[in-house]
Amino acid sequence: KQEVTQIPAALSVPEGENLVLNCSFTDSAIYNLQWFRQDPGKGLTSLLLIQSSQREQTSGRLNASLDKSSGRSTLYIAASQPGDSATYLCAVRVVTSYDKVIFGPGTSLSVIP
Amino acid sequence: DAGITQSPRYKITETGRQVTLMCHQTWSHSYMFWYRQDLGHGLRLIYYSAAADITDKGEVPDGYVVSRSKTENFPLTLESATRSQTSVYFCASSRDEYSNQPQHFGDGTRLSIL
Repeated sequence: KQEVTQIPAALSVPEGENLVLNCSFTDSAIYNLQWFRQDPGKGLTSLLLIQSSQREQTSGRLNASLDKSSGRSTLYIAASQPGDSATYLCAVRVVTSYDKVIFGPGTSLSVIP
Repeated sequence: DAGITQSPRYKITETGRQVTLMCHQTWSHSYMFWYRQDLGHGLRLIYYSAAADITDKGEVPDGYVVSRSKTENFPLTLESATRSQTSVYFCASSRDEYSNQPQHFGDGTRLSIL
């Protein structure tokens, strides 16, 4: 059974710092991995989607990497800003007898001005 | 504005009552989803729909009913609400190319059952 974990559960950093969020999954048989952002009281916003054949995706100050063999993905945020404060979730689309997306529990990020 | 609209945003009801959560999308996306988000469980899929009149169970469907008579609407009904159904409910949609993979989320309905 595929399990998705995210460590740490919460992170607080000063403004301007570069940071890395981690996502781990137990089964490497995945179609893709996606990173989402969730602001308080809001739904999820898709940030980056990495196909299983890709190693990384970039969008602005965000860079997501994928290592299927080790079951890991990282989301790198450069030059963090207070507006980056949110919960970041990763989600994997699994390759099983039925198509399914499994979400991690999220990392709550606070960027302190 | 285009997007996904959920209503109501907040709802308080009593056990045993029927309650319907509404979801409307303006993109004409084929796929729509209902999730619940709980501390300790994360996001869990309740039901999804691949097109009008086509629905299927997700991970936690018990106690819920859905319908999709029109592409743009996907209501979720709790037939007899229980306290364990207190949660935040999210509706989501995606285009065909993403199929069974939610891309766009509404802002959620916070449901409390007393």
